[in-house]
Amino acid sequence: AQKVTQAQTEISVVEKEDVTLDCVYETRDTTYYLFWYKQPPSGELVFLIRRNSFDEQNEISGRYSWNFQKSTSSFNFTITASQVVDSAVYFCALSELGTGANNLFFGTGTRLTVIP
Amino acid sequence: EAGVTQSPTHLIKTRGQQATLRCSPISGHTSVYWYQQALGLGLQFLLWYDEGEERNRGNFPPRFSGRQFPNYSSELNVNALELEDSALYLCASTWSGTRNGANVLTFGAGSRLTVL
Repeated sequence: AQKVTQAQTEISVVEKEDVTLDCVYETRDTTYYLFWYKQPPSGELVFLIRRNSFDEQNEISGRYSWNFQKSTSSFNFTITASQVVDSAVYFCALSELGTGANNLFFGTGTRLTVIP
Repeated sequence: EAGVTQSPTHLIKTRGQQATLRCSPISGHTSVYWYQQALGLGLQFLLWYDEGEERNRGNFPPRFSGRQFPNYSSELNVNALELEDSALYLCASTWSGTRNGANVLTFGAGSRLTVL
């Protein structure tokens, strides 16, 4: 069965600090996709990144970067030079193509608070 | 382009009543997913509709049901409301099938249901 674990329930950092959000997943599928979504106080989940199981290249997008390591089943998310607008709940999610195409299994989320 | 829209934004009901929540997908999207976000439980998959048919449901009792209309909008019905049904209900849409792997789900802002 699939599982996504976000062990950090809440994190607080001071503005301009770097912060890493951890995500560990379990799956029996060889083809799967990993996602990160951001949920600001408005409630709407905002898509950040999608990565397939065959692509272990790390990715950087502005202040955001992602580290995917199949050997440890982890897909961690780092925010560099955090800003107050980064305060939100961040969800890691897994999609297994064999169990219903686009359905997502979510972790329980990490609430990030950036203190000015 | 309009995003995923959900109504109502907030709904207050009492135990035993029925609640109906509505979702309009992004134009061109034919697949709709419903998730429940209860406090402390993360996002739990409820239902998946694709081109008018229910394709899969999560581990929820039958009093959670829904449908998808010919215009691909969807409604979620919760009968015999219980206190623990209080949650944010999120709807997401995407294209049918998969395009270059798992599709990205686009989420609405949710409907917050409070059961008293």
